Order: sequence, then structure tokens, then C-alpha cells
Amino acid sequence: AQTVTQSQPEMSVQEAETVTLSCTYDTSENNYYLFWYKQPPSRQMILVIRQEAYKQQNATENRFSVNFQKAAKSFSLKISDSQLGDTAMYFCAFMKPGNNDMRFGAGTRLTVKP
Amino acid sequence: KAGVTQTPRYLIKTRGQQVTLSCSPISGHRSVSWYQQTPGQGLQFLFEYFSETQRNKGNFPGRFSGRQFSNSRSEMNVSTLELGDSALYLCASSLNPSLGNTIYFGEGSWLTVV
Repeated sequence: AQTVTQSQPEMSVQEAETVTLSCTYDTSENNYYLFWYKQPPSRQMILVIRQEAYKQQNATENRFSVNFQKAAKSFSLKISDSQLGDTAMYFCAFMKPGNNDMRFGAGTRLTVKP
Repeated sequence: KAGVTQTPRYLIKTRGQQVTLSCSPISGHRSVSWYQQTPGQGLQFLFEYFSETQRNKGNFPGRFSGRQFSNSRSEMNVSTLELGDSALYLCASSLNPSLGNTIYFGEGSWLTVV
């Protein structure tokens, strides 16, 4: 079974600084997808970034980028130039192709301080 | 383009009752999945429907059931409610998870069982 581990329950960062959230996963699959979702106080899950395992190039979306290390089964999220609106819970998720059975980590609560 | 819509947003039920939650996916999306989010267990996959067929089911008792209609709208039902069923129930839709399409979440339905 696939498991996702986020070892940092809480983190904080000063506005405009950079922060990295960690995620590791366990799978025997070779092809899969990885995601970072943001859940603000409204509780709606918002996709931040996604990575296909077969792509070696790390995904980037504006201020958000990932460091995908397939052999190490590591998928960290870097947020540059942190903004107050980035304050939220961040969930790392794993999904095999073929269904919507996403496995989520326990989440990291990120607080951006002014 | 409208997002994933869930109704009702908030509801309170008594132990032993049953509840039905509704989800309208993004137009054109054929896959709908349901997740339960609780402080103790985190985000857990309930089931996924694609073209009116249940394709995957998580590890939940038979009291949790669902269905999908020809217009892709989905409902989930929980019978004989227990206190532990209190949770945020999230619905998500995608075009076709077999192709790794992005999954979009609704704002959730907050269920409180008293």
C-alpha cells in the first residue's frame, strides 16, 4: 500500500522569505502522480502543483516549485517570496494512474508572518 | 466554468439517522470521488465513480454508499449515523484519472452528528 509522510506538522516563515515543506512516500509503482494541495481556512482543497513520476524535470508554478527525487521517494515543495495568503495547511498526495484514490499525508500547517 | 459544487454545505444529524450529500462535478468531468476528512484520520478515500460505475472503494463500512447519475452528478449516503461520522466530506472531479488528469475539489459538506 502507498503511504505518504509529512514529517513537519507545523512551520512558519517570514513574509518574502523562502520555505521548504517535506514529503516522502512509499510505493512499489514506477508510474504515478504526486501533488501538493493547499487548504486555507475555507477548507477548499486547491491544487498547488503536480508532478508526473516519469518526468525527470521538476515542476514549477510561479513561486512554487518541487524537488522530486524518485529514487529517494522524496517530493518537497519550495515556496519562494512567501505571501500572507500562503498561510494554509499543505497536503502532499500520491496517486496511481487509473483512479482517483489519492493518498494524502497528514499535512503541514504553514504560517506566513508579516 | 463552474467548479465542483457540493450541497448542503453544513448539516447536523442525530445518531441513527441517515444523510445524503450531493456533488455536481465540473462540466465535462466524468469521474467523481469522495473523501472524508477528520482531525484524527486525516483525508481518506471513500469511493470513486466513473460513468455511473463505482470503480474503487476505500476501507469504509457498508453504511457508506454512493451513486452517480447519467449527468455525472453524484450522491453519497451514510446510514445509521455514528458520532464518528462527523467530518468534512469532500467531493472531487476530473476528466479521466486514467490519464492522470488534474483532480479538482469542492468546498465540502460539513456533517455534525449529535
